[in-house]
Amino acid sequence: QQQVKQSPQSLIVQKGGISIINCAYENTAFDYFPWYQQFPGKGPALLIAIRPDVSEKKEGRFTISFNKSAKQFSLHIMDSQPGDSATYFCAASEGETSGSRLTFGEGTQLTVNP
Amino acid sequence: DAGITQSPRHKVTETGTPVTLRCHQTENHRYMYWYRQDPGHGLRLIHYSYGVKDTDKGEVSDGYSVSRSKTEDFLLTLESATSSQTSVYFCAISESTASGGQETQYFGPGTRLLVL
Repeated sequence: QQQVKQSPQSLIVQKGGISIINCAYENTAFDYFPWYQQFPGKGPALLIAIRPDVSEKKEGRFTISFNKSAKQFSLHIMDSQPGDSATYFCAASEGETSGSRLTFGEGTQLTVNP
Repeated sequence: DAGITQSPRHKVTETGTPVTLRCHQTENHRYMYWYRQDPGHGLRLIHYSYGVKDTDKGEVSDGYSVSRSKTEDFLLTLESATSSQTSVYFCAISESTASGGQETQYFGPGTRLLVL
């Protein structure tokens, strides 16, 4: 049972373009939504995270948009660069004291062409 | 990789043999996790630990056991390896916050396991 659904599976963007990856969740108790970036042969690394008390969070070229009523959140990468080519995972967890059991989306393989 | 090492990094084994993967951390973090990563499934939690000798099951725990006898080490054992356990295994760690919750999870470099 996949509680976090991620789309698209793969995405190709030109350098300088905007990359958008979407996630939808089912569990309304989720209250922490991180995005992880993974390069080939490496472990995932936290990119940016949001809690549902805000609708948007921006860090440099990376922005999370959060829609609580629709149970959706998305990652926007502005001015995409070839170095952003990686696999991106959204995730969600429930409650700070619940063991931080992250539920991950299926992943999106992003390719940014020069 | 945030003071996390995994060993071995690559392993080929045969069906029916036991396999143990090791995760070692130098951060003295309280929480440790084992995930498996498979195409189309993202990362799925196998087991996690919230302290020495304190462990609990995750989403895909069947066929796996864990042990944590020291803060720094978390072992994952495949009791009798099957081809369906061919995967990339990641260990992660996190620390507790002042309010008793968990902070960001940091992942190790992974172990690629092939079961023939």
